[in-house]
Amino acid sequence: DGGITQSPKYLFRKEGQNVTLSCEQNLNHDAMYWYRQDPGQGLRLIYYSQIVNDFQKGDIAEGYSVSREKKESFPLTVTSAQKNPTAFYLCASSPVFGGGGETQYFGPGTRLLVL
Amino acid sequence: QKEVEQNSGPLSVPEGAIASLNCTYSDRGSQSFFWYRQYSGKSPELIMSIYSNGDKEDGRFTAQLNKASQYVSLLIRDSQPSDSATYLCAVNRYYKLSFGAGTTVTVRA
Repeated sequence: DGGITQSPKYLFRKEGQNVTLSCEQNLNHDAMYWYRQDPGQGLRLIYYSQIVNDFQKGDIAEGYSVSREKKESFPLTVTSAQKNPTAFYLCASSPVFGGGGETQYFGPGTRLLVL
Repeated sequence: QKEVEQNSGPLSVPEGAIASLNCTYSDRGSQSFFWYRQYSGKSPELIMSIYSNGDKEDGRFTAQLNKASQYVSLLIRDSQPSDSATYLCAVNRYYKLSFGAGTTVTVRA
């Protein structure tokens, strides 16, 4: 079965703690994305990666970091600098970046809560 | 002005009726347009993509695109209770997608 997996489903963060959200895809997609969704709002782009070993900041990158060491993996770290991290985090992938191949498919999401 | 705007909703329609959802966008250079459905607590799933002016039909769903007026719409015919969800409009902008806030649809039996 091809798809995108995210773990954990729920994550609790203490003050001052860094936490890492996992995203894995076996669709052989080049591009991967991280979004944040707050209640009643649309998705906002945190980071994206067009290809392995490359990533770019999105619209709200402050307080977050990513890596793309393998094609199938794009983990997101929420650092202590992110003061309001409570949200629903969605990972997505697309066959290519732009050029008509940008249809994005989403993983099931991780809900991050602050203790 | 927001990049992508959707009618605020919520939209309540009787079972079997047509639900009409609208979306406008600000970047005239946008080329690709998508509708996603998101059930409460779940991730978005792709319903339709549309790239050319006109209508595109897929089952009970029809997407309509008018680039000159910068709007894209989604019609849901013969609405079913299972269509109750939030519908997100997404627009390609500089090779990235921008999303609207979504319109929540409730289909009442």
